[in-house]
This record gives sequence, structure tokens and C-alpha cells, in this order.
Amino acid sequence: QQQVKQSPQSLIVQKGGISIINCAYENTAFDYFPWYQQFPGKGPALLIAIRPDVSEKKEGRFTISFNKSAKQFSLHIMDSQPGDSATYFCAASSTGPGGTSYGKLTFGQGTILTVHP
Amino acid sequence: DTAVSQTPKYLVTQMGNDKSIKCEQNLGHDTMYWYKQDSKKFLKIMFSYNNKELIINETVPNRFSPKSPDKAHLNLHINSLELGDSAVYFCASSRGTGLAQETQYFGPGTRLLVL
Repeated sequence: QQQVKQSPQSLIVQKGGISIINCAYENTAFDYFPWYQQFPGKGPALLIAIRPDVSEKKEGRFTISFNKSAKQFSLHIMDSQPGDSATYFCAASSTGPGGTSYGKLTFGQGTILTVHP
Repeated sequence: DTAVSQTPKYLVTQMGNDKSIKCEQNLGHDTMYWYKQDSKKFLKIMFSYNNKELIINETVPNRFSPKSPDKAHLNLHINSLELGDSAVYFCASSRGTGLAQETQYFGPGTRLLVL
């Protein structure tokens, strides 16, 4: 059962354009939604994250929009640059019994972003 | 001064062999993880250890056995390797407070190819 569904699978954007990646989740217990960025041959690295008590979080050119009622969240990359070309993963985790989550992240399938110069 | 390191970076082996992948973190974290990334880039958690204690054990064949000699090291031993084990294996670590919003720091990955 895929608990976090991510789309599109791949995305091509021109330099300066806006890249938008969408994720939908099923488990209403999820309470933390990070996005990870992975360059070829490297491990994923945290890009930006949001908790469901806010609807939007912005860090530089990267913005997460969160819609709790629709159980959806998305990553917007403004003024996309060739250096942003990478695979992007949304993820989710939940606080378990006793207030701990043990760090169990459920990842989406990933989106390969290519930004053309 | 690499935060999370893995060895080897590449591993090519024959079906049926036994192999190990080593992971070390110098971040002072208490929790470490193993993830498998398949050919379609899908990332799935396999195991997690907190202070040398197993806390997450997903549905993984028992041919895979993690070992944590101390909280800075988490090794993965794989017995009787199969073609389907070919993947990139990532080690990661986090502070280990148990909070859902902890950042996980990933290693560079070990690319395993089983022939």
C-alpha cells in the first residue's frame, strides 16, 4: 500500500520557470512532511519541511503548500535553475505512542526534475 | 569530515554470496537507519537502531541482518544474495530524540549489483 503518492514522475522546466511537485497521503496520523533533494550519485538531503499546523512554509525559492483537508501537499520551486536539477522526494512521518515516531519516514516515489538553461 | 560515511561505495558480487556494508556517523547521533533504493528510485526504510537497540524492522527477508556495535556504527550483512537485492543501500542518522520532525542525514550510498 503506497501511503504517499507523488506526481509527476518527471518534470522538465525552463530556467526561470516554476516547478511544482505534488504529493497526497492517506494516513491522517502523519504530522510531519519533509521534502528531500537527491543529486545523482548522492544521498538524499533535507530541503524543507512542514507541520500540518501551517498551510505554507517558504525558504528562499522553495515553498511548501499544505492542504490538510485534502491530505495533499506540494513543493513549489520559484525561478528554477539548472542547479535545481535533481530527484525530489516528499515524505511523511507520524508521532507514535508516547510522543515518539522512531523516525519512520514514508517516501513518495520521487520526481526527476530537469531544468533547461 | 564526512558526516555519514559508507563502505564500500560499489559492490559487485555473485548470487549466493554473503556481503557486508558498513556505515559510520560522526554527528553524535543516537539513531541510525538503513534504506533501500530500487531501480525506480523508490526509497524504503529497512531498519532503524537507537543506541544500539533495534526499533524499526520493516518486512525484510531475514537474509538481511543489521548489527550496531556502537551508536556511531550500523552495519548491514546480507546472506545468500539474490538478483533482486541489487539496489542502492543508504545509511542515515538522526539525533534520536524520537520526535517526528527530526532531520535524517543520509550517507552517499552503496551501489550493490548481484550477478
